Amino acid sequence: SYVLTQAPSVSVAPGQTAVFTCGGNNIGSKRVHWYQQKPGQAPVLVVYDDSDRPSGIPERFSGSNSGNTATLSISRVEAGDEADYYCQVWDSSSDNYVFGTGTKVTVL
Amino acid sequence: QVQLVQSGAEVQKPGASVKVSCKTSGYTFTDNYMHWVRQAPGQGLEWMGWINPNSGGTKYAQKFQGRVTMTRDTSISTAYVELSRLRSDDTAVYYCARLSSGRTLDHWGQGTLVTVSS
Repeated sequence: SYVLTQAPSVSVAPGQTAVFTCGGNNIGSKRVHWYQQKPGQAPVLVVYDDSDRPSGIPERFSGSNSGNTATLSISRVEAGDEADYYCQVWDSSSDNYVFGTGTKVTVL
Repeated sequence: QVQLVQSGAEVQKPGASVKVSCKTSGYTFTDNYMHWVRQAPGQGLEWMGWINPNSGGTKYAQKFQGRVTMTRDTSISTAYVELSRLRSDDTAVYYCARLSSGRTLDHWGQGTLVTVSS
């Protein structure tokens, strides 16, 4: 089955840029979506189709995808960005939806 | 606005079954697939499967095959997931999530905590 790998945690100072990755075999050929989950809340879609933002999501959130790595960046990080972030793809070969292992973002 | 409202928390014994509901509003229920995702305490998101509310067709993750059943009642715009032969490691928050036309999970329910304990 298709596996998506994320670093367990990332720490970033306020105002800096947080960058975290999602690794998968030839993930660049798939559409990657990113979800933000704050403690005790349901996930929220923050980036879809590699780099698009739903309405209401700040421009500070951006994404890219190529080769074996997809990337989510959050510029000018704020305390409110502290959350877990999950990448997700649809694996056409198995018709399964797959989530990454998640990255916990801590704002120092 | 689109809303997905799930049923309340459940406590079940090992070996029992649990059925969680997801009542929708703000859109045409049969226009979008409904997915179910669970999250064990302190763990990541785990995809369970989907149901096509229009046809009733389903797709389950292999891990849950034989134990999970997803159904819907179009008259009340509600989706259900039932998990049988519960084990302690089924303790988790269960979420319903609507699939958008772009294959993203664009709206989520608030989650239902299912605790399996003797």
